[in-house]
Amino acid sequence: QVQLQESGPGLVKPSQTLSLTCSVSGDSISSGGYYWSWIRQHPVKGLEWIGYIYYDGSTYYNPSLRGRLTISIDTSENQFSLKVPSVSAADTAVYYCASGQYWDQLLSSWGQGTLVTVSS
Amino acid sequence: EIVMTQTPLSSPVTLGQPASISCKSSQSLVHSDGNTYLSWLHQRPGQPPRLLIYKISNRFSGVPDRFSGSGAGTDFTLKISRVEAEDVGIYYCMQAIEFPLFGPGTKVDIK
Repeated sequence: QVQLQESGPGLVKPSQTLSLTCSVSGDSISSGGYYWSWIRQHPVKGLEWIGYIYYDGSTYYNPSLRGRLTISIDTSENQFSLKVPSVSAADTAVYYCASGQYWDQLLSSWGQGTLVTVSS
Repeated sequence: EIVMTQTPLSSPVTLGQPASISCKSSQSLVHSDGNTYLSWLHQRPGQPPRLLIYKISNRFSGVPDRFSGSGAGTDFTLKISRVEAEDVGIYYCMQAIEFPLFGPGTKVDIK
């Protein structure tokens, strides 16, 4: 099972870009079949799946967030990233990266999560 | 958009006793490929969620057999045969027909 670790700033100012990285160990990020996801957990609203990037680089985003953010993959560093431009307080959440090798086990490995607060 | 509901939202349980959580979806979770992509996840305080059950009733690797899932179509249930102290936390059902969507969660604590 792969291990995942999120990294990035804990505090982002409103209107700036939130950038997070998920480092993968235990397997190559480009090995076949893996879905690499981002999920966030708002203090009150619960869990929200953001999107995934497939091992072949294709992406799929939550329709409610589509067009607002970008997930990318860096095979040389064995990591994938999330960028959310023009953040607001509504983007304050714990952000998790997760992975799964099959659609029915899409979120089978999780990182520990990182809290991102949007505040001036 | 599919809406997921869970009952109860809070469940005080007695150690050693069974517990049950219901999850309902606003439309059928049977995919065109014939599979039903309904999963259960458990989140302990201060921890990330972890996958317990996938495709209604399949226990993920390492999950104790006191956890079981059942259901079909729009109605699903997670059962814990004998609650242990480590089972406290929040349980989420999640559907993945098109993309993952979580239920609101059920908080389980010890009486």
